[in-house]
Amino acid sequence: GQNIDQPTEMTATEGAIVQINCTYQTSGFNGLFWYQQHAGEAPTFLSYNVLDGLEEKGRFSSFLSRSKGYSYLLLKELQMKDSASYLCAVLDSNYQLIWGAGTKLIIKP
Amino acid sequence: DADVTQTPRNRITKTGKRIMLECSQTKGHDRMYWYRQDPGLGLRLIYYSFDVKDINKGEISDGYSVSRQAQAKFSLSLESAIPNQTALYFCATSVGHRDTGELFFGEGSRLTVL
Repeated sequence: GQNIDQPTEMTATEGAIVQINCTYQTSGFNGLFWYQQHAGEAPTFLSYNVLDGLEEKGRFSSFLSRSKGYSYLLLKELQMKDSASYLCAVLDSNYQLIWGAGTKLIIKP
Repeated sequence: DADVTQTPRNRITKTGKRIMLECSQTKGHDRMYWYRQDPGLGLRLIYYSFDVKDINKGEISDGYSVSRQAQAKFSLSLESAIPNQTALYFCATSVGHRDTGELFFGEGSRLTVL
């Protein structure tokens, strides 16, 4: 079966750095996405990785290792507004998105 | 105004009632999707449509039906609602490139079935 694993919840301090991991086992791979979802709101796109390595976009970076079936989202200089759920999703061989359950990130002052 | 609009945003109904959730988009995208989201679970695909004449079942289509009335409109129906269909429902759109999975979501429709 297809599976996306990510921690259920993480806590971090304002101004700090946090890394949210995602491991996947899917039938094929055509890219990995990270989305941010604030409570009660729609998910919004953060990043897309299809090749190994690190993609940096401002305070957020996303890393991919296809051989390990592993990705992480790195958030720097955390702000209170970063409190949200972070969803990992993989595009499989049929170009269907397989979603993880999401990681709820709590930021403390 | 939102590019992807869902109505209603909240609905409480009773078991056995017919419910329709509507989605309209101004993004000009061909692909439209209906997902449901439950606590502790990932988004699950109910139905998707790559154009007006193309409708496909997702992983959890039982108990649901859809209609793609136009490129901009995609409706989800629950013919006879049951309590385990209580969930947050999202409509989403995407462009038609095979290697681009970025989805644009509506604001969600929270459905409660009593």
